[in-house]
Amino acid sequence: KNEVEQSPQNLTAQEGEFITINCSYSVGISALHWLQQHPGGGIVSLFMLSSGKKKHGRLIATINIQEKHSSLHITASHPRDSAVYICAVGNQAGTALIFGKGTTLSVSS
Amino acid sequence: GAGVSQSPSNKVTEKGKDVELRCDPISGHTALYWYRQSLGQGLEFLIYFQGNSAPDKSGLPSDRFSAERTGGSVSTLTIQRTQQEDSAVYLCASSFGGGGYNEQFFGPGTRLTVL
Repeated sequence: KNEVEQSPQNLTAQEGEFITINCSYSVGISALHWLQQHPGGGIVSLFMLSSGKKKHGRLIATINIQEKHSSLHITASHPRDSAVYICAVGNQAGTALIFGKGTTLSVSS
Repeated sequence: GAGVSQSPSNKVTEKGKDVELRCDPISGHTALYWYRQSLGQGLEFLIYFQGNSAPDKSGLPSDRFSAERTGGSVSTLTIQRTQQEDSAVYLCASSFGGGGYNEQFFGPGTRLTVL
């Protein structure tokens, strides 16, 4: 079993829809990161959180430490949101990220 | 300011050759990470440097892989006697502080192809 599980693996949406991507982990962590990777592009950090909720524009990330679960929400999705979204957890030593396999999001207009 | 830079952007080599990949972190960032992204495998941790501390090498897949960081800045990842399974995108990231509590900034990666 992977230490970081994401769902769904693939997600297709219409422009304007509300998107949720889930991440569950089974190890102790220092923090949880949400990353974005556009096709052929680099990786960008969206959020880093260790408790509660963070919001940036149309993106919202939440984490429940007790349940070892995090969600990434996109409100009013847009075709430019099409990318791979990766959940990663920092190990307790704080030296490495352990990555989920990513969720491929495609938003059509 | 400049982000994390990596060179070369692409590297094609023959099986058995040695390769060196370079990473220039963001100035002032004390922590530097190397990751690998293989087709269909996702991202995996390779090695972590933080200041003058001993690096965490626990992610290196074999003793053919080594890395160094000179002067707390530039890092070089060396793969000796390359194998076809080493083909992947090698990513470097840096952060202002160590631990898992700091945002990591990723470079564009080096795509390595071993023929």
